[in-house]
Amino acid sequence: TQLLEQSPQFLSIQEGENLTVYCNSSSVFSSLQWYRQEPGEGPVLLVTVVTGGEVKKLKRLTFQFGDARKDSSLHITAAQPGDTGLYLCAGAGVTGGGNKLTFGTGTQLKVEL
Amino acid sequence: EPEVTQTPSHQVTQMGQEVILRCVPISNHLYFYWYRQILGQKVEFLVSFYNNEISEKSEIFDDQFSVERPDGSNFTLKIRSTKLEDSAMYFCASRTLGPLHFGNGTRLTVT
Repeated sequence: TQLLEQSPQFLSIQEGENLTVYCNSSSVFSSLQWYRQEPGEGPVLLVTVVTGGEVKKLKRLTFQFGDARKDSSLHITAAQPGDTGLYLCAGAGVTGGGNKLTFGTGTQLKVEL
Repeated sequence: EPEVTQTPSHQVTQMGQEVILRCVPISNHLYFYWYRQILGQKVEFLVSFYNNEISEKSEIFDDQFSVERPDGSNFTLKIRSTKLEDSAMYFCASRTLGPLHFGNGTRLTVT
């Protein structure tokens, strides 16, 4: 069974601060995706990383896939209240054509004024 | 932008009753999924469906669960005899070769 552990589980910060969320596993993934989920809604895709060591930037968000494709991080620069939400990482397995995603435990972020 | 739609948004049912959760995936997508999220817990894979058959299912997806694509647009999840522990958000998702697109979910409450 593939497991993805996210840390921290909860994070409450002030506007303007930087933060990093980690997603770790002992399993190798063919790709890893980051989602953001608002209350009462489904997860919305932020980014997909595929290559070990890959770094992708989406405005103030920087995503990195570990060299061994077992872990990933999400860094937010100068957080804003609009960044508040549940951040989920999800890995696609190396077998079965990546047929399903294994979701991480989630990081609940709250950015206060 | 096309989206995955799910109905109803909230379903309340009594223990032992059958429920059908409905999804309309994005029209040109070929792979379909159901996930669930128990309150306060992580999103869990239930089943994937491709070419009119189940391609993979989890341990959660036991004989009480079934999926169907009755026509070219709908994708349904049936729970034959609901239990209290089936209470959760159920998300439908679809994709072609790219990432999953999720619907907004159906909140199932079993009383």
